Amino acid sequence: DQQVKQNSPSLSVQEGRISILNCDYTNSMFDYFLWYKKYPAEGPTFLISISSIKDKNEDGRFTVFLNKSAKHLSLHIVPSQPGDSAVYFCAASIGAGNMLTFGGGTRLMVKP
Amino acid sequence: EAGVAQSPRYKIIEKRQSVAFWCNPISGHATLYWYQQILGQGPKLLIQFQNNGVVDDSQLPKDRFSAERLKGVDSTLKIQPAKLEDSAVYLCASSLGVGHPSYNEQFFGPGTRLTVL
Repeated sequence: DQQVKQNSPSLSVQEGRISILNCDYTNSMFDYFLWYKKYPAEGPTFLISISSIKDKNEDGRFTVFLNKSAKHLSLHIVPSQPGDSAVYFCAASIGAGNMLTFGGGTRLMVKP
Repeated sequence: EAGVAQSPRYKIIEKRQSVAFWCNPISGHATLYWYQQILGQGPKLLIQFQNNGVVDDSQLPKDRFSAERLKGVDSTLKIQPAKLEDSAVYLCASSLGVGHPSYNEQFFGPGTRLTVL
């Protein structure tokens, strides 16, 4: 039973345009959500997080939106850059600091 | 600031052999996690330590997997005996620990890629 799902295994975007990565979850107990970026042969790197008391969090070019009623979150990258090409994982936890449940990842390719 | 260190980076063994992985978390991080990432999937938590105590090991296959964090700093994860389906990347992560404002952010090491033949 996948509690966190990323339904798009890959996404291709032109440099300078917006990248939108989506994530759905089923467990209504999740109250912290995070996005990680992963390059080949490296561990995941934390990007941005949001708690369930908010519906938006912004950090530079990265914005995460949370729609609790739809159990859906998305990551917007504007503008997209070739260096953003990586696999992006969304993750969720019940209570901050507790185990993370990860989605399967979305491979983003930003074309110059 | 030094990141999470893991060794070895790669390991190839035959099924039924044993293997051990080592992790040294970021200095001062109280919480340590071991994840298993099978190719094409997201990481799955195996075990979580808070200092030297186990917080969550509900997804650890205890008949073959064991982990310890004796002094509350570095940790080892062992598989004995290994099966073909254990082929995966084993990731170690650490965080500041419950109670710190930034404790939800987990920092990951580069992982150990295990191949079981």
